[in-house]
Amino acid sequence: DAGVIQSPRHEVTEMGQEVTLRCKPISGHNSLFWYRQTMMRGLELLIYFNNNVPIDDSGMPEDRFSAKMPNASFSTLKIQPSEPRDSAVYFCASRGNNEQFFGPGTRLTVL
Amino acid sequence: GQSLEQPSEVTAVEGAIVQINCTYQTSGFYGLSWYQQHDGGAPTFLSYNALDGLEETGRFSSFLSRSDSYGYLLLQELQMKDSASYFCAVRDHGSGNTPLVFGKGTRLSVIA
Repeated sequence: DAGVIQSPRHEVTEMGQEVTLRCKPISGHNSLFWYRQTMMRGLELLIYFNNNVPIDDSGMPEDRFSAKMPNASFSTLKIQPSEPRDSAVYFCASRGNNEQFFGPGTRLTVL
Repeated sequence: GQSLEQPSEVTAVEGAIVQINCTYQTSGFYGLSWYQQHDGGAPTFLSYNALDGLEETGRFSSFLSRSDSYGYLLLQELQMKDSASYFCAVRDHGSGNTPLVFGKGTRLSVIA
């Protein structure tokens, strides 16, 4: 199994631009999670899906953030418009039972 | 809500034993997990304790005391490659596939 796949691995963009992060969970896992990691705030849960349905998006910082999961094998996290304070590493994770597997992350830099 | 407390930094000597503690406050409880993260990498699963006691996996062991809302990760025969951040994490209930909530992490530095 290839594990959780994320793209792009690195993204550098300018303030105001739209950013779309992509995730492919492990096949057969029915839960998907988006986290953001910064030095100041650590690992923060942004949103999670069970069986492609968003369950809790209370961690999404603002309306500029949105996430979708159109099918069991794909999810996106979109930031529009992006701001410098959005700079962080964004992780996608999926889980089938007790163990949660993380993707390699997307390092986002907003200038 | 949930909160987890763990030391921010620990330094230990190669070959030694180190213990990283974690205390938690949750409205419910469904197990304590530990993850390792190397600089520039993703968190990777180390262990999971649902019941009180010690779980051993090679050089790593994890302990849980639910009555004390406390757990620890024990690393033995430390190696330089063990230098990383270690996170404890909890799920506050077991219905469905609820997410893990992570502590701020403990940065372990192994020195020669």
